[in-house]
Amino acid sequence: DAGITQSPRHKVTETGTPVTLRCHQTENHRYMYWYRQDPGHGLRLIHYSYGVKDTDKGEVSDGYSVSRSKTEDFLLTLESATSSQTSVYFCAISEPLGQGNTEAFFGQGTRLTVV
Amino acid sequence: DQQVKQNSPSLSVQEGRISILNCDYTNSMFDYFLWYKKYPAEGPTFLISISSIKDKNEDGRFTVFLNKSAKHLSLHIVPSQPGDSAVYFCAASDSNYQLIWGAGTKLIIKP
Repeated sequence: DAGITQSPRHKVTETGTPVTLRCHQTENHRYMYWYRQDPGHGLRLIHYSYGVKDTDKGEVSDGYSVSRSKTEDFLLTLESATSSQTSVYFCAISEPLGQGNTEAFFGQGTRLTVV
Repeated sequence: DQQVKQNSPSLSVQEGRISILNCDYTNSMFDYFLWYKKYPAEGPTFLISISSIKDKNEDGRFTVFLNKSAKHLSLHIVPSQPGDSAVYFCAASDSNYQLIWGAGTKLIIKP
């Protein structure tokens, strides 16, 4: 199994509070991703990183920010949590293998509930 | 605008029979396609992939077929086993190595 750890695994927070989710990898993969999974939507990309301090937005980035100060860690911050951000969040890592070939490895997920 | 579509939210198959999961895509620039399997309360795990230069890839009970002209791929599982019950996601990779995901199909294997 790829070494990816997400913390916390579960969190309940109040509307309007900031929340930070952490993803830690031991594989030295260049790319890291944050997804959210909601019923009927599959996996939607929030933000991704293609290197230290190199990040970009995904399709559902509003209300989220990320930081990657070192290869191993990718942080996702909800600046002011809203109920619509209640979801399961997955971190993934990948290393490009050429010609579009890439395989993502996922963490176990963080279940976030905003009340 | 969904670039990768899995039109069947769920599929029920008898144990021992063939399971066929379908995926359609709209972007002809996708280079690589992958199938992932997800159990409840776990992250998705890689199952099988196929490059756009091939039309078939096989790994044990799992075979993925790619029809580029139809922009369609399918995952065949033969024979289906109870442990195959899970949600299956189709994904496509572009030249920027971004993975675009389908919404998933829940496969239920009946004993």
